[in-house]
Amino acid sequence: DTGVSQNPRHKITKRGQNVTFRCDPISEHNRLYWYRQTLGQGPEFLTYFQNEAQLEKSRLLSDRFSAERPKGSFSTLEIQRTEQGDSAMYLCASSPTESGANVLTFGAGSRLTVL
Amino acid sequence: GQSLEQPSEVTAVEGAIVQINCTYQTSGFYGLSWYQQHDGGAPTFLSYNALDGLEETGRFSSFLSRSDSYGYLLLQELQMKDSASYFCAVTVSGSARQLTFGSGTQLTVLP
Repeated sequence: DTGVSQNPRHKITKRGQNVTFRCDPISEHNRLYWYRQTLGQGPEFLTYFQNEAQLEKSRLLSDRFSAERPKGSFSTLEIQRTEQGDSAMYLCASSPTESGANVLTFGAGSRLTVL
Repeated sequence: GQSLEQPSEVTAVEGAIVQINCTYQTSGFYGLSWYQQHDGGAPTFLSYNALDGLEETGRFSSFLSRSDSYGYLLLQELQMKDSASYFCAVTVSGSARQLTFGSGTQLTVLP
């Protein structure tokens, strides 16, 4: 068990470019979550997958954001036409069904800087 | 929606005991969790309370009072490595798929 893995760890991009982040959850966890965290704040929920199905999306998730989990294993989060306000740490977390959202294992995050 | 309040900063000395409070306002409260996050690191689960009372895990304990919409995290025998941000977070029945986090408490442990 190598924990939750996220790539890349850091991404610097220019405004207007597209970026994609990848998350590999703990293999036996069928629940996967994306959160966003800005400096000095707690993580904010973005979206949730149960296996390959995206079951919940936050209102924070504008139409420039899309997430997938095609085979119920790894997940990707894509941000199109990035804006400076998208600069944040993007955190992925996973959990087994029995604990739900009560006990999450987070990855180390992907830090996005939009210039 | 949900709102959580916790102190922004707490300072204590090594070996001491510190309590970090969390009050919440939410409908359909389900449970209260605590996470630790070191600078540049991932949030790490510490404890979870769904029922009133105290949960103890080693040097850390967490308390919940549902009637008061209040909980706290108690850290005993503080160590330098406990310097970190601590977040309380709630889950809500009907949406037990997401955690809503507070803004965090920065704990500084002094020698």
